[in-house]
Amino acid sequence: GENVEQHPSTLSVQEGDSAVIKCTYSDSASNYFPWYKQELGKRPQLIIDIRSNVGEKKDQRIAVTLNKTAKHFSLHITETQPEDSAVYFCAASKVAGSWGKFQFGAGTQVVVTP
Amino acid sequence: EAGVVQSPRYKIIEKKQPVAFWCNPISGHNTLYWYRQNLGQGPELLIRYENEEAVDDSQLPKDRFSAERLKGVDSTLKIQPAELGDSAVYLCASSFDYEQYFGPGTRLTVT
Repeated sequence: GENVEQHPSTLSVQEGDSAVIKCTYSDSASNYFPWYKQELGKRPQLIIDIRSNVGEKKDQRIAVTLNKTAKHFSLHITETQPEDSAVYFCAASKVAGSWGKFQFGAGTQVVVTP
Repeated sequence: EAGVVQSPRYKIIEKKQPVAFWCNPISGHNTLYWYRQNLGQGPELLIRYENEEAVDDSQLPKDRFSAERLKGVDSTLKIQPAELGDSAVYLCASSFDYEQYFGPGTRLTVT
């Protein structure tokens, strides 16, 4: 089955700096890669996603890149703010029709210090 | 549009007691997932439904866990009897097409 590895497990950045989280996956058939942000005690929130037919996607201060050949994808957060502090999870999925099986990474605790 | 709804939000029980969690997915979402999330870890799939059919329950501990999704909408996850190691957050999620959305979860504490 699919295996997703996520690094680093913790990431401390100064406010205004950039943060990068990297994930690798094992199943070349995976075609959908979402990123979730989870604040303490709250539900995982979908913040950005990318499909396998796209190499890069950007939404304001966050962007995701995908390298299918190397089977890795990354989340980039620019101009970090204290409210970006949370746990971020990557996931890989094989989506077919209306469903997919999602495999999650172990998460990255991001701390943004003012 | 209402999101995924779960109840209860918190549950404290003694070991060997039964417990049940309820989930109402986003309207029109045919796929429903139950995940377990331990502290400091990512969600782990327990079971996935396509409409009423459980299509992936390979990680569901069937000796004590059961689930149902009657009429292809709401779903219930049950544990009987609960063990100390079952303490975790149980997340329900639903999807249609690619995007998957989570409910707020039920935090279960087994004492």
